[in-house]
Amino acid sequence: AQTVTQSQPEMSVQEAETVTLSCTYDTSESDYYLFWYKQPPSRQMILVIRQEAYKQQNATENRFSVNFQKAAKSFSLKISDSQLGDAAMYFCAYLDSNYQLIWGAGTKLIIKP
Amino acid sequence: GAVVSQHPSRVICKSGTSVKIECRSLDFQATTMFWYRQFPKQSLMLMATSNEGSKATYEQGVEKDKFLINHASLTLSTLTVTSAHPEDSSFYICSAPGLAGYRTDTQYFGPGTRLTVL
Repeated sequence: AQTVTQSQPEMSVQEAETVTLSCTYDTSESDYYLFWYKQPPSRQMILVIRQEAYKQQNATENRFSVNFQKAAKSFSLKISDSQLGDAAMYFCAYLDSNYQLIWGAGTKLIIKP
Repeated sequence: GAVVSQHPSRVICKSGTSVKIECRSLDFQATTMFWYRQFPKQSLMLMATSNEGSKATYEQGVEKDKFLINHASLTLSTLTVTSAHPEDSSFYICSAPGLAGYRTDTQYFGPGTRLTVL
C-alpha cells in the first residue's frame, strides 16, 4: 500500500523568504500523480500544484515549485517570496489507481511578518 | 475551475438526531465523490467512496449504518449521520474528481461542514 510522509509538523519562514516543505512517499507503481494542497484557516482545500510521475520536469505554479525526485520518492514544495497569505496547513498527497488520495500528516506553515 | 459546494457549512444538533450533509458538483458531473472526516490539526481521513447509482464503498472501521451515503444523481451526494453522538462531532469534507473538461486526475473539494453534536 502507498504511504505519504511529511516529517515537518510545523515550519516558519520570514515574509519574502523561501521555504521548502518535505514529502516522501512509498509506492510500487511507476505511473502516478502527486499533489500539494493548501488548507487555510477557512479549511477549504486548495490545490497548489500537481506533478505527473512520468514527467521528469518539475512542476511550477508562479511562486510554487516542486523538487520531484522519483528514484528517491521525494516530492518537496518550494515557496518563494513567502507572503502572509501563504500561512496554512500544507498537505502532500498521492493519487492511487482508484482515484483515492493518500494523504500526508500535513505541515503547518507560519509566515513571520 | 471545477466547483463543489456543501450544505450546510455548519450544523449543531442534539444527541440522537440525524443530520444530512449535501455535496454538489456545480459545473461538472461527478460519478464518484469522496467523503472525508477531519479532526482538528489532523489530516483527512477517507470515510467512503460514493458512486452514482450504486452502493457506497466504506473504508474499514467506518460504520455503514451510522454514516448513510446516497449518490442519487450525477451532481449530488449526501451523507447522513444517523443518531448522532458527541463523538461524531467533526469536520466533514467531500470531493469529486473532475470530469468532462476538467482534470480527471484532480479532486475538487467542497468547503466542508462542521458538525457539532451536543
